[in-house]
Amino acid sequence: DAGITQSPRHKVTETGTPVTLRCHQTENHRYMYWYRQDPGHGLRLIHYSYGVKDTDKGEVSDGYSVSRSKTEDFLLTLESATSSQTSVYFCAISESPGQGTDTQYFGPGTRLTVL
Amino acid sequence: GQNIDQPTEMTATEGAIVQINCTYQTSGFNGLFWYQQHAGEAPTFLSYNVLDGLEEKGRFSSFLSRSKGYSYLLLKELQMKDSASYLCAVSDSNYQLIWGAGTKLIIKP
Repeated sequence: DAGITQSPRHKVTETGTPVTLRCHQTENHRYMYWYRQDPGHGLRLIHYSYGVKDTDKGEVSDGYSVSRSKTEDFLLTLESATSSQTSVYFCAISESPGQGTDTQYFGPGTRLTVL
Repeated sequence: GQNIDQPTEMTATEGAIVQINCTYQTSGFNGLFWYQQHAGEAPTFLSYNVLDGLEEKGRFSSFLSRSKGYSYLLLKELQMKDSASYLCAVSDSNYQLIWGAGTKLIIKP
């Protein structure tokens, strides 16, 4: 299994509070991704990173920001959490999309509840 | 728009064979992935197809027809542990993965 951890694994917070989720990898993969997974929907990309300090928006980026100051760490921040952001959040990593190494490997997920 | 369709739920019997279909319409195509996801767990990689045809890996096989925008995952000799959701994802022209909503497979003894 790829070495990917996420913290916290579970979090309950209140509307309007800031929340930061952390993804840590030990594989030295260049690409890192944040997804959310909700019933009835496929995994939806929030943001991704293609290197240190290089990030871009995904399909559902509103209300979320990210930072990557080290290869191994990718942070997802909800500046002011809303109930619509209650979800399971997965981090994923891949080596080099487009170079025959597109496969993404996933962390264990963080279950976030916003009351 | 981009779209991945797969059945919401399927039921099969232990020891039998089941085929899970996936159809897609995406802006570009750079390969199709199948992942398995047990309840409460992370998706795990099963297979990758980029050329037409069948890829076999043990009890699991995956087929791709690019001209038809179609793939299937074939699971043989079903075991109770195969009860899970199976996710189809397509790598688009930007090498972003577009995900289907997943097919929940229920195995009955």
